[in-house]
Amino acid sequence: DAGITQSPRHKVTETGTPVTLRCHQTENHRYMYWYRQDPGHGLRLIHYSYGVKDTDKGEVSDGYSVSRSKTEDFLLTLESATSSQTSVYFCAISEGQGDTEAFFGQGTRLTVV
Amino acid sequence: AQSVTQLGSHVSVSEGALVLLRCNYSSSVPPYLFWYVQYPNQGLQLLLKYTTGATLVKGINGFEAEFKKSETSFHLTKPSAHMSDAAEYFCAVTHTGRRALTFGSGTRLQVQP
Repeated sequence: DAGITQSPRHKVTETGTPVTLRCHQTENHRYMYWYRQDPGHGLRLIHYSYGVKDTDKGEVSDGYSVSRSKTEDFLLTLESATSSQTSVYFCAISEGQGDTEAFFGQGTRLTVV
Repeated sequence: AQSVTQLGSHVSVSEGALVLLRCNYSSSVPPYLFWYVQYPNQGLQLLLKYTTGATLVKGINGFEAEFKKSETSFHLTKPSAHMSDAAEYFCAVTHTGRRALTFGSGTRLQVQP
């Protein structure tokens, strides 16, 4: 299995609180991604990173920010959590783009109450 | 813009029967196509991918898929279903120069004894 660790694995938080999810990789892959998974929507891209301090928005980036200060860590922050952000969040990594396989973490189940 | 449509959010087959999961894509440039599988409470893992060359692609666990450009399809098949195939399956598309995958909404496969 690719060395990807997501933390925490489960979290319950209150509306309006900030939340940070962490993705840590040991593969030294250049690209890192955050997706959210919701029933009927598959996985949707939130943000991705193509190098240290290089990030870009995905299709559902509103309400989320990211940071990548080291190759191995990619943080996803919900500045002020809302109930619509209740979801399962997946981190993925890949060596390259295009035809390169992406490897996924185990996911973080976030519930906003 | 790229998109993926997976017909049938739920598919049920008997053990030993043919598995057919449908995927149609939309892409203005030559696509790279992927099938991922997700077992309960786990991340996604790659089943197979099409990039260039042979249009019939074989993957793990006896699955295969055929790229049909004229039909913009990439359907996943397995001749004989096994109970362990019960999972959710995602089709995804990307292309050269694109940094992230676009996923379909997923198909949950149920295998009846």
